[in-house]
Amino acid sequence: AQSVAQPEDQVNVAEGNPLTVKCTYSVSGNPYLFWYVQYPNRGLQFLLKYITGDNLVKGSYGFEAEFNKSQTSFHLKKPSALVSDSALYFCAVRDTGFQKLVFGTGTRLLVSP
Amino acid sequence: DVKVTQSSRYLVKRTGEKVFLECVQDMDHENMFWYRQDPGLGLRLIYFSYDVKMKEKGDIPEGYSVSREKKERFSLILESASTNQTSMYLCASSPWQGAVGFFGQGTRLTVV
Repeated sequence: AQSVAQPEDQVNVAEGNPLTVKCTYSVSGNPYLFWYVQYPNRGLQFLLKYITGDNLVKGSYGFEAEFNKSQTSFHLKKPSALVSDSALYFCAVRDTGFQKLVFGTGTRLLVSP
Repeated sequence: DVKVTQSSRYLVKRTGEKVFLECVQDMDHENMFWYRQDPGLGLRLIYFSYDVKMKEKGDIPEGYSVSREKKERFSLILESASTNQTSMYLCASSPWQGAVGFFGQGTRLTVV
């Protein structure tokens, strides 16, 4: 079965510093990987996806993610964090059968001023 | 703009009540999903549907059922609400061959 793991419950970073939110995956076949963000009391918003092609994927709000096949990782990154980036971030993988997503447990990002 | 609308943002129900959570999408998507979100557990799939009148169990279907009579509408039903069903419920839709899911704003259900 497809799965993703987010090893950190929370990541703290100062505004202006680079941020990384980690995700590792376990799939059979080629992975379809996603990042979503959730602001307080809101639904999830799509940030970016990796299907095939370049290992560095650029997404919304200045975020990017690096696909690393040898390490089975898909870490979310941003060169310079903003306080407004504080939110809950979810990594997800698409199931190879039906078009459903399997989510990680989420990582809370706190960006301090 | 893509839109998935859930009928309620907040809901309080009593134990044993039958509860209906409604979701409507305006994108003509084939796939629709219901997830529940709990702290430390992430999003867990309850049920999904890939066509009208079709449904598939997700990872935690016990205590729930669904209905999809029209393509744009996917309803989640709690046959007899229990306190352990207190949670945030998220509806999502996606096109058949599309991988990106579009989410509603969520319904926070409290069962007392």
